[in-house]
Amino acid sequence: GENVEQHPSTLSVQEGDSAVIKCTYSDSASNYFPWYKQELGKGPQLIIDIRSNVGEKKDQRIAVTLNKTAKHFSLHITETQPEDSAVYFCAASSDKLIFGTGTRLQVFP
Amino acid sequence: DSGVTQTPKHLITATGQRVTLRCSPRSGDLSVYWYQQSLDQGLQFLIQYYNGEERAKGNILERFSAQQFPDLHSELNLSSLELGDSALYFCASSVHRGTGELFFGEGSRLTVL
Repeated sequence: GENVEQHPSTLSVQEGDSAVIKCTYSDSASNYFPWYKQELGKGPQLIIDIRSNVGEKKDQRIAVTLNKTAKHFSLHITETQPEDSAVYFCAASSDKLIFGTGTRLQVFP
Repeated sequence: DSGVTQTPKHLITATGQRVTLRCSPRSGDLSVYWYQQSLDQGLQFLIQYYNGEERAKGNILERFSAQQFPDLHSELNLSSLELGDSALYFCASSVHRGTGELFFGEGSRLTVL
């Protein structure tokens, strides 16, 4: 069945540094790749998404890259801030939206 | 506030019991999704409804069932509860039938003792 692997499971960075989270997917029919941020006690919230006809997308300090041949995609956060601390989930969708296992990002001041 | 309402927020029950979780989607959204999030686990897709019809099914146990009503609210029924069913259950809604942004509620935390 469909599977999405996500690494690392935890990531600690100093404020101002960059953070990179990587995901791979198994279903070659996947064509939509969103990233969600989940803060403590809340539901996940979409922060950026990319479709399979695009290789890279950027929104201020956040960027996502997609390599369809290798079936992997990555989230890049630059100039990290303490408020970026949260759990981040990647997901891939062809028919169903399948989530990765999450990355707990901690940004230390 | 995502606009998706889930009740109850917390629920404690015993093994073997049955519970119902309720979800009201955002106004105008026709799709409702249910996800299970266990401790330190990702979001496991359970089921999706679109405009009252089941559209996609994930790893939903036979003890679990769901439906979407004509007013578009949805209910997830969990029966013969086991300790391992303890989790956070999220409902999400979307205007899309297929891929697109999902808006999540704040979840219903189920504890089975």
